[in-house]
Amino acid sequence: EIVLTQSPGTLSLSPGERATLSCRASQSISSSYLGWYQQKPGQAPRLLIYGASTRATGIPDRFSGSGSGTDFTLTINRLEPEDFAVYYCQQYSSSPITFGQGTRLEIK
Amino acid sequence: QVQLVQSGAEVKKPGSSVKVSCKASGGAFSRYLIGWVRQAPGQRFEWLGGIIPVFATTNYAPSFQGRLTITTDESTGTAFLQLSSLRSEDTAIYYCVRARRMELWLDASDLWGQGTMVTVSS
Repeated sequence: EIVLTQSPGTLSLSPGERATLSCRASQSISSSYLGWYQQKPGQAPRLLIYGASTRATGIPDRFSGSGSGTDFTLTINRLEPEDFAVYYCQQYSSSPITFGQGTRLEIK
Repeated sequence: QVQLVQSGAEVKKPGSSVKVSCKASGGAFSRYLIGWVRQAPGQRFEWLGGIIPVFATTNYAPSFQGRLTITTDESTGTAFLQLSSLRSEDTAIYYCVRARRMELWLDASDLWGQGTMVTVSS
């Protein structure tokens, strides 16, 4: 199965700053079948990005995804207070679907 | 707007089984993959398996083969997860999810249930 490794584990930033989160796969992800999710305490995850770079419905344009092959990035521009949460990447290129271990974005 | 609503928390003994339901309200059900994902304390999300109701076929992750059963009741738009031979390591929040596109086994999940806490303890 494809193993996803996210970095950093924790990212401490201030509102208004830019966040850059990384997701590296143990093997190439075909057709960029990579998604990003946001999870807040006590809530289910929410899909932010699919296909590595396409924003899901209703997701603000300060969220952007990029990358291909084995290296992917989620960028959040101009951090808002509500953006501080845990972010997970997910590959759905091959079965079983797998997730990264998460990056916690906290307020500095 | 489509929502996935799951059944309530469960406490089970080791060796027993648990059945969790997931009802889709307000939209299409039969042509989408309904999958199950769990999040154990301190662990990453783990994909268990899924079903596409219109195909009446299932796909299970290898580590759950033999003790996982996923079914649906199309008349009520409800999916079920049954996990048997429970052990303490199965303690987790179980989520049902819906694939973003119809009739695909592998896809991002754009809808999530609220989660069901399953605790396995003697």
